Amino acid sequence: EPEVTQTPSHQVTQMGQEVILRCVPISNHLYFYWYRQILGQKVEFLVSFYNNEISEKSEIFDDQFSVERPDGSNFTLKIRSTKLEDSAMYFCAIQTGGQNEQFFGPGTRLTVL
Amino acid sequence: KQEVTQIPAALSVPEGENLVLNCSFTDSAIYNLQWFRQDPGKGLTSLLLIQSSQREQTSGRLNASLDKSSGRSTLYIAASQPGDSATYLCAVLFGNEKLTFGTGTRLTIIP
Repeated sequence: EPEVTQTPSHQVTQMGQEVILRCVPISNHLYFYWYRQILGQKVEFLVSFYNNEISEKSEIFDDQFSVERPDGSNFTLKIRSTKLEDSAMYFCAIQTGGQNEQFFGPGTRLTVL
Repeated sequence: KQEVTQIPAALSVPEGENLVLNCSFTDSAIYNLQWFRQDPGKGLTSLLLIQSSQREQTSGRLNASLDKSSGRSTLYIAASQPGDSATYLCAVLFGNEKLTFGTGTRLTIIP
């Protein structure tokens, strides 16, 4: 199973602050995803990223969100001005091979105060 | 709208019993279906991937089945152990890139 790491494991921020969540897949992959899970709710798709471009994004992924792969390895999710409702667990995922199986990182717990 | 539903939301069974978790989805045009395990406050561990052309997939004590025509998948766990206690999530790839998740079944194995 491919290894995906995420940093930080927990981020606490004040409302209105910018946060950057990072994902580091160990092997080279083309497809990357961000999902989030608000406490007690379903895991929800945010955005997919293929070949260094956004491939698809959900309604949640508004102008406050952005993704990039700045150095060819790290994959980041930026929230420009955090809101209370952004508090959630954010998961990075990669997709491998012809079977389109997705593997998830351990998540970053974001708490917005 | 493509939706995934899991029933029951919670299940408790004595250790050693076999059990079945259910997943239903609204659109039969799926690419594949994954079952995940999630421990409290942790990430998602992929347990089984079943392609749309397959009817079942096995890994150890786990067996997943898929019936596209009825929009259902089951996860069968044999000889349950306390270490199997976790939330089990079903997620469907509906022909595009993103996974659509169910709300999960929280499983408790009673020693």
